[in-house]
Amino acid sequence: ELKVEQNPLFLSMQEGKNYTIYCNYSTTSDRLYWYRQDPGKSLESLFVLLSNGAVKQEGRLMASLDTKARLSTLHITAAVHDLSATYFCAVDKGNKLIFGTGTLLAVQP
Amino acid sequence: GAVVSQHPSRVICKSGTSVKIECRSLDFQATTMFWYRQFPKKSLMLMATSNEGSKATYEQGVEKDKFLINHASLTLSTLTVTSAHPEDSSFYICSASGRGNSYEQYFGPGTRLTVT
Repeated sequence: ELKVEQNPLFLSMQEGKNYTIYCNYSTTSDRLYWYRQDPGKSLESLFVLLSNGAVKQEGRLMASLDTKARLSTLHITAAVHDLSATYFCAVDKGNKLIFGTGTLLAVQP
Repeated sequence: GAVVSQHPSRVICKSGTSVKIECRSLDFQATTMFWYRQFPKKSLMLMATSNEGSKATYEQGVEKDKFLINHASLTLSTLTVTSAHPEDSSFYICSASGRGNSYEQYFGPGTRLTVT
C-alpha cells in the first residue's frame, strides 16, 4: 500500500525566512504533484514533477523530485504572509492520487 | 481552460434525506472523474473513480450503496449521498481528467455538506 507522508505537519515561520517541506512516499510512482489549499477552498495546482531530478520554480516556491530516494521537497524562499495555506503533495499511482498528510503553513509578519 | 465546476457549493440537509452533488467539466471532455472527501484539518481521501458509461470503482471502506456515483456523459458526474447522517458531513471535492489525453486531474471548487 502506497503511503505518503509530509513533514512538518505544521510550520510557523516569519516573513523573509526560508524553509522546506518534505514529502516521502513508500513505493515507486510516475508523477508527483504539489497543491495549495486555502481555508474553505478546493485545491490549487502548484507543480507537476514527472522525472527524477525534476525541479520547478514559481515565484517564491520551488519543488524538486528525487525518485530514487522517493522524496520531494517544496522550498519556500523569503516567505510572505500570502503564502499562508495548507500544502499537499500527492503521488500518482495507477492514475489515482494518494495525498500526503498536508502541511499547514502560517507565515507571521 | 480545464475548468471543473461543482453544484451546489454548500448544502444543508436533514438526517435521512438524500443529496445530489454535480461535477461538470466545462471546457473539456473528462474520460475519468474522481470523488474525494475531506474532513476538517485532514487530507483528501479518494472515494471512487468513475469512467464515462461504466460503473464507478469504489475505494476500500466506501459504501457503494450509500454514495451513488453516476458518470452519464463526458462532462458530468454526480454523487448522491443517500440517507445522509451527521457523520456524512464533510467537504466533497471532485476532479476530472482526460483533457487532451492528459493524466492531470483538475479539481472542482468543492461542496460543503452539512447534515443536521
